[in-house]
Amino acid sequence: NAGVTQTPKFQVLKTGQSMTLQCAQDMNHNSMYWYRQDPGMGLRLIYYSASEGTTDKGEVPNGYNVSRLNKREFSLRLESAAPSQTSVYFCASSEGQGAGQPQHFGDGTRLSIL
Amino acid sequence: SQQGEEDPQALSIQEGENATMNCSYKTSINNLQWYRQNSGRGLVHLILIRSNEREKHSGRLRVTLDTSKKSSSLLITASRAADTASYFCATRTMDSSYKLIFGSGTRLLVRP
Repeated sequence: NAGVTQTPKFQVLKTGQSMTLQCAQDMNHNSMYWYRQDPGMGLRLIYYSASEGTTDKGEVPNGYNVSRLNKREFSLRLESAAPSQTSVYFCASSEGQGAGQPQHFGDGTRLSIL
Repeated sequence: SQQGEEDPQALSIQEGENATMNCSYKTSINNLQWYRQNSGRGLVHLILIRSNEREKHSGRLRVTLDTSKKSSSLLITASRAADTASYFCATRTMDSSYKLIFGSGTRLLVRP
């Protein structure tokens, strides 16, 4: 049972390059999320998808785009990477958006922008 | 802005001792959740306490919630080296149906 799978695990980009982070879940969850984690800070929500076909901005969406490709997959795209986007990116999923739903996380993508 | 703030930022204890971490938040909540993050891994959900609950137990974990003080505590009893990790509180606010707001975490080191 894989849970939430993120690829790649590590990536180094040059400023201005583009890249797509992939996320897939096998738990038949409706909702999916993208967070970034910076040193000394908690996770901050970038974008989320309440259900297949919908996406919405979170707390820090600037510089990112997302695609909910199907129920399983939710990708995060950096169109023109900037050093400020150096971070660890986590994808998460939950059954729905009910208040009592815990989120299940992947192991992250460590992204460095030079 | 962050909703939850954990205290202390770092905690070092001996195996077998109890570990207590605190979380304070700012706005009214629907529930508060605790997550664990091992080094280099994603977060794992530990326990959820609803705003109308005061205490909850799960194995060696005990969570309390004081909505009048807008604070929660996580107690890990009889700690083990495997409990070494970062612990985060996350709040589900009343005014948002989707958002979990995470604190900055407590780094726990359990020495063998």
